[in-house]
Amino acid sequence: KAGVTQTPRYLIKTRGQQVTLSCSPISGHRSVSWYQQTPGQGLQFLFEYFSETQRNKGNFPGRFSGRQFSNSRSEMNVSTLELGDSALYLCASSSGTAVSTGELFFGEGSRLTVL
Amino acid sequence: AQTVTQSQPEMSVQEAETVTLSCTYDTSESDYYLFWYKQPPSRQMILVIRQEAYKQQNATENRFSVNFQKAAKSFSLKISDSQLGDAAMYFCALDMRFGAGTRLTVKP
Repeated sequence: KAGVTQTPRYLIKTRGQQVTLSCSPISGHRSVSWYQQTPGQGLQFLFEYFSETQRNKGNFPGRFSGRQFSNSRSEMNVSTLELGDSALYLCASSSGTAVSTGELFFGEGSRLTVL
Repeated sequence: AQTVTQSQPEMSVQEAETVTLSCTYDTSESDYYLFWYKQPPSRQMILVIRQEAYKQQNATENRFSVNFQKAAKSFSLKISDSQLGDAAMYFCALDMRFGAGTRLTVKP
């Protein structure tokens, strides 16, 4: 079956703009989590959605937001972009009722560059 | 708060040799899952191995095994008979929290 799909794969924005990233999970998976990956910082957890509800949230400012649709597809939005937001944004889906109990299946990521 | 620490930013191993990647964590939970994920260059992250905290037996997947010390909150990954294809970033994870990663280089 199809894996986790993230779009767009690459994008360039300027400071102050906003961006929306999309993630389609593996069919049947109801949990979607988002991560920011930067060199030296590893993967930092942004938030997790399950059945259209945000279940967990990391320590990121309110400029970072997300949502999940009834078909489990998820979007994350970053408003008022800053240079430091340049990163690889990874989405992962899981089949379990809690992310912590199961394997995460990752997408290829969306690489955001903020100029 | 849950934290994961990987203190080895980079490691190197000779092909066919064994290497151990370290990971420590902190949690107040008594039951949890620990994971090692592998991210090859420009490729997707994949699961290497998973350990359930209530299981005392260390998990093993072919050449990959873990040394899980619950009391010490330590979770190291041992790669035996290292292969060129093992070169990647390795991330230790506790639930949704990931460490900073260890870049493994395999020398032919």
